[in-house]
Amino acid sequence: QKEVEQNSGPLSVPEGAIASLNCTYSDRGSQSFFWYRQYSGKSPELIMSIYSNGDKEDGRFTAQLNKASQYVSLLIRDSQPSDSATYLCAVTYRSGYSTLTFGKGTMLLVSP
Amino acid sequence: ETGVTQTPRHLVMGMTNKKSLKCEQHLGHNAMYWYKQSAKKPLELMFVYSLEERVENNSVPSRFSPECPNSSHLFLHLHTLQPEDSALYLCASSPQRGLNTEAFFGQGTRLTVV
Repeated sequence: QKEVEQNSGPLSVPEGAIASLNCTYSDRGSQSFFWYRQYSGKSPELIMSIYSNGDKEDGRFTAQLNKASQYVSLLIRDSQPSDSATYLCAVTYRSGYSTLTFGKGTMLLVSP
Repeated sequence: ETGVTQTPRHLVMGMTNKKSLKCEQHLGHNAMYWYKQSAKKPLELMFVYSLEERVENNSVPSRFSPECPNSSHLFLHLHTLQPEDSALYLCASSPQRGLNTEAFFGQGTRLTVV
């Protein structure tokens, strides 16, 4: 069974710090990796996608992928209270209809 | 304002009622999805439509019935639901069904079954 694992948190960081969110996945056939942000009571919002090993940076966000270790992470630099949300890791597998499999999400709390 | 719009935003229904959830996407995408989000559980894929054809039914009970009349609209028809069906129902769309395609979500419908 294909699984995506995340620590549920909450992960608490002070404002201005780097928040590090981690995700592991079970199937080496995984091809595409996404990070979504979900505020309480709202729908998931896509913030990063990564398809190959290494780092991908977009503003304060950096996604890191290591396929050998089956590990993907999201770094948020200069964390702001407005970053407080649940971050969902999602993975697309080669087999089937290439739909997203989600982790349960990690709650991030950024304190002023 | 999202390119994927869901109505209603909130719905309370009895177990004998029949209701429908509506989703409309304005992004020109070819694939649409229904997801269910329950407390403390990952997002669960329910149905996938690609070019108006249902391509995946993820072992969803028959009391949930999807309909995709065209590539911009998706419905989820509900009947004789159970209290455990109470959840956030999310519609999503993507340019196409494929490995590197990104999915965009609507605001969701918060469903409560009483």
